[in-house]
Amino acid sequence: QKEVEQNSGPLSVPEGAIASLNCTYSDRGSQSFFWYRQYSGKSPELIMFIYSNGDKEDGRFTAQLNKASQYVSLLIRDSQPSDSATYLCAVSPGGYNKLIFGAGTRLAVHP
Amino acid sequence: DVKVTQSSRYLVKRTGEKVFLECVQDMDHENMFWYRQDPGLGLRLIYFSYDVKMKEKGDIPEGYSVSREKKERFSLILESASTNQTSMYLCASIPYGGSYEQYFGPGTRLTVT
Repeated sequence: QKEVEQNSGPLSVPEGAIASLNCTYSDRGSQSFFWYRQYSGKSPELIMFIYSNGDKEDGRFTAQLNKASQYVSLLIRDSQPSDSATYLCAVSPGGYNKLIFGAGTRLAVHP
Repeated sequence: DVKVTQSSRYLVKRTGEKVFLECVQDMDHENMFWYRQDPGLGLRLIYFSYDVKMKEKGDIPEGYSVSREKKERFSLILESASTNQTSMYLCASIPYGGSYEQYFGPGTRLTVT
């Protein structure tokens, strides 16, 4: 079983819709959770992080964490074509700032 | 702005060659990481370093070694390149005790023929 699992997609949504990206993790001791966005041919860039159960909002992005169920999700409201990218979920098991990445979900927002 | 640079964007090497990938960060970060990224597999940690001359194996260290002689520079070495090491290599850094945001370099696309 992979430590961090994501649906590879592609997830296709129309412009203006809500995109919902999900991630599950296996290590119950995980402390911190991150969402990175990666455009084709580019390196990942951090868009959200969350440490506590519940929701965290930043502009059009909302991260949701449920430690009991071991999942973290990312909602993108009012999706734009510029949001089309691969979204990587990353989990920190603690120590040395290591991150364990999922394989990513490809999001396609069509006009 | 944190800047992480990598020595090459594209590299083509032959099987059996010794390959050096260089990463430099300009923000005095203690922790540095080397990943490889392959389709469907995501980012996999090869090695990381939390201080000068210190190194720790990641999840897939076989066939690789690293060197960190100076704080700002972390080198990944492929002792004898093989075709299964064809991949995108990404370097990242983070300060000790930071918020866990890893700052990534632009990546090196290595092809071994």
